[in-house]
Amino acid sequence: NAGVTQTPKFQVLKTGQSMTLQCAQDMNHNSMYWYRQDPGMGLRLIYYSASEGTTDKGEVPNGYNVSRLNKREFSLRLESAAPSQTSVYFCASNLRSHSGNTIYFGEGSWLTVV
Amino acid sequence: AQSVTQLGSHVSVSEGALVLLRCNYSSSVPPYLFWYVQYPNQGLQLLLKYTSAATLVKGINGFEAEFKKSETSFHLTKPSAHMRDAAEYFCAVSVGDTGGFKTIFGAGTRLFVKA
Repeated sequence: NAGVTQTPKFQVLKTGQSMTLQCAQDMNHNSMYWYRQDPGMGLRLIYYSASEGTTDKGEVPNGYNVSRLNKREFSLRLESAAPSQTSVYFCASNLRSHSGNTIYFGEGSWLTVV
Repeated sequence: AQSVTQLGSHVSVSEGALVLLRCNYSSSVPPYLFWYVQYPNQGLQLLLKYTSAATLVKGINGFEAEFKKSETSFHLTKPSAHMRDAAEYFCAVSVGDTGGFKTIFGAGTRLFVKA
């Protein structure tokens, strides 16, 4: 069972470069999410997609864009990377954006912006 | 608005000792509460969740948590720590509303287990 798969696992970018983090889930979930994890701050929601065809801003959306390509795939793009975007990024999904549903996470993408 | 506070960013216990990780929440409506665990270099995985069926919730790996409305707490416990329990633990609160999704994660507590 693959679950939530995200790529790349590690990436180093120079300031101003762009890149896209890819995410796919094979659980037929409707809702998908992108979080960033920073020391002492827990997980913060960047963007989410409650269902195919919709996306919404989370807590920290500035500097990011997302695309819900289809039901399985949800990508996160950094148009012009900044050192403040150095973080660990997690893609996640659940059956639907309902409060009782368990969220399933990918293994993370470590991004360093120099 | 809901929030989650985890008391103690680091907790250290000896192998075989009681594990107690503290979580307090704030919510204006009855919440759903979760504990997730993150092992090194991995994503988070569900440990247990409270969805109002029972106040004492049992999870995987011998962990359990008790929902106490009067104290707005959802502390995580395990009677006897094992080396493999060393990880970071996140408490999360989720409240449904007409706008849909809203889950807030605590800052996390890293558990160290000494031999």
